[in-house]
This record gives sequence, structure tokens and C-alpha cells, in this order.
Amino acid sequence: AQSVTQLDSQVPVFEEAPVELRCNYSSSVSVYLFWYVQYPNQGLQLLLKYLSGSTLVKGINGFEAEFNKSQTSFHLRKPSVHISDTAEYFCAVSDPHSSSASKIIFGSGTRLSIRP
Amino acid sequence: DAGVIQSPRHEVTEMGQEVTLRCKPISGHDYLFWYRQTMMRGLELLIYFNNNVPIDDSGMPEDRFSAKMPNASFSTLKIQPSEPRDSAVYFCASSPIRITEAFFGQGTRLTVV
Repeated sequence: AQSVTQLDSQVPVFEEAPVELRCNYSSSVSVYLFWYVQYPNQGLQLLLKYLSGSTLVKGINGFEAEFNKSQTSFHLRKPSVHISDTAEYFCAVSDPHSSSASKIIFGSGTRLSIRP
Repeated sequence: DAGVIQSPRHEVTEMGQEVTLRCKPISGHDYLFWYRQTMMRGLELLIYFNNNVPIDDSGMPEDRFSAKMPNASFSTLKIQPSEPRDSAVYFCASSPIRITEAFFGQGTRLTVV
């Protein structure tokens, strides 16, 4: 079964500093990978996704992620964060070719806090 | 499209009472997912449907939980009887035929006292 590990439960960063949120997934022949953001008291919103093709994926709000098959990683990055990026970030995975069906499994989340 | 619509947004109930959470997926989506979010366990997949048929309910915690999807535009998650440990935010999400993205509702915050 697919699984996702987010290595950091909390990441404090100063405003305008770069940030990387780490995500590793269990190996599979093929995967779809996702990053979602959850602002306080709201649902999850898609930041970006990797389905195939270029390993560098650009998303909304200046975020990007790189799919690394050899390291089974999909780390999220932003070169300069803003106070408004304070939120919880979830990495997720699905296996589009799984016979047990196409469900999306989420990591435990990383809380990003931006300090002025 | 209005997106995935969940009701109610907040529910407070007493232990032992029946609770029903409702979800309207995005029109045309084939998949519907129910997730539960708690501080301790994070975001857990409870059950999901494909074309109104339950595909995997292995995440349903126990027999007190049941979910139905009588048609393509409506699903319910029922807890009977409810217990304080069921307190959580319950999310519904839907996805088109190829699960290239899940679209989430705003969630229902359930408090069982």
C-alpha cells in the first residue's frame, strides 16, 4: 500500500527566507504526487501536482516541487515566503495503476509558521 | 460550479446521539471520498465511492460508522451512536474519472460532548 512520510511536523521560517518542506513516498512503479495547503478552518486546496513529464512542477503562490524517483521524494520549495503562507501543508500520493483502486493517501502534514 | 458542499459546517451533539453528515460532490465527478482529520491521527481516509458504489471502506473505524451514496449528487456519513472520540473535522472530497486531483469541501467540525 502507498504511504507518505512528511519528515517535519513544524517548520518555522522568517519572512522572505526560502523554505523546503520534505516529503517521501513508498516506492511504486508509478505514482501521482500532490501538495495541498490548508489554511485555518478551511478545507484543503491543491498547490501543485505531478502526474508525468517534467520532474519540476510549478504551482500556485510561487511554490514548486521536484519529483525525484531515485530518492522517492517530492519536496516542496519556495524561494521567499510571505506571512500569508502560514498554513499546514500536506503531501499526498496515489497509484493510478493500482488494482486496489485509486485513492489518495495523505501525509501527516507540516505546519509552516512565518515569523516577521 | 459551487465546489464540494458539506453540511452542516458545525455540529455539536451529545454522546449516544445519531449524527449525519452530508456531502454534495462536484457535478460529473466519479469519485467521492470521506476523510477524518484529528490532531492525533492527521487526515485519514474513511471510505470512498466510485460511481456511487463503495470501493474501499477499510478506513471506517467501527460499525458505528456507515456511509451511503444513493445517487451521484449526494452522500451521507452517519455515526450511530456517537462518542466523544468521534470529535473531529470530517471532509468530503470528489474527483473526476482519473484521480488527478481531489477537490475538498470546507469540512464539518463535529463535537461530541
